[in-house]
Amino acid sequence: KQEVTQIPAALSVPEGENLVLNCSFTDSAIYNLQWFRQDPGKGLTSLLLIQSSQREQTSGRLNASLDKSSGRSTLYIAASQPGDSATYLCAVNEPPNTGTASKLTFGTGTRLQVTL
Amino acid sequence: EAQVTQNPRYLITVTGKKLTVTCSQNMNHEYMSWYRQDPGLGLRQIYYSMNVEVTDKGDVPEGYKVSRKEKRNFPLILESPSPNQTSLYFCASSLGWPGSGANVLTFGAGSRLTVL
Repeated sequence: KQEVTQIPAALSVPEGENLVLNCSFTDSAIYNLQWFRQDPGKGLTSLLLIQSSQREQTSGRLNASLDKSSGRSTLYIAASQPGDSATYLCAVNEPPNTGTASKLTFGTGTRLQVTL
Repeated sequence: EAQVTQNPRYLITVTGKKLTVTCSQNMNHEYMSWYRQDPGLGLRQIYYSMNVEVTDKGDVPEGYKVSRKEKRNFPLILESPSPNQTSLYFCASSLGWPGSGANVLTFGAGSRLTVL
């Protein structure tokens, strides 16, 4: 059974710092990995999706990397801002069992606070 | 605006009183899914649907029912709620299988349910 772990559970950094969030997964047979952002009282917003054949994806100040063989992904946030404060979740998409759809397994998230 | 709409957003009920959480999407998405989010456990899938009249169990389907009579709607039904169903519930949809290609999940804002 796939297990997705995110460390640390919480992180506080001063504004302007670069930071890295970590995600690890136990079964490397994945289709892709996604990073989501969750704001209090709101749903999840997809940030980046990395296919299993890719090594990284970039969107603005965000860069996500994937090392499928070692079961790791990182989300790098450059020049952090208070507006980046949120919970960040990673999710791996696994091949389906017979007759079912592919499955997303989520990590428990890293709660990020960027202080002034 | 393209969105997934859940109602109610907040609900306090008592054990055994049947309730329905509605979910509607306006993006003509084929795939819809329900998740529950609990502290320390992350998001866990309850049920999903690949199309009208096609539904299947996720990881934690016990105590829940769903239906997909129309493409846009995917209600979650708790026939006899119990306190262990107190949780934050999210509905999500995507054009096809989530994460495959560019089929990114769009989430609703969440429904916080308390069962006394």
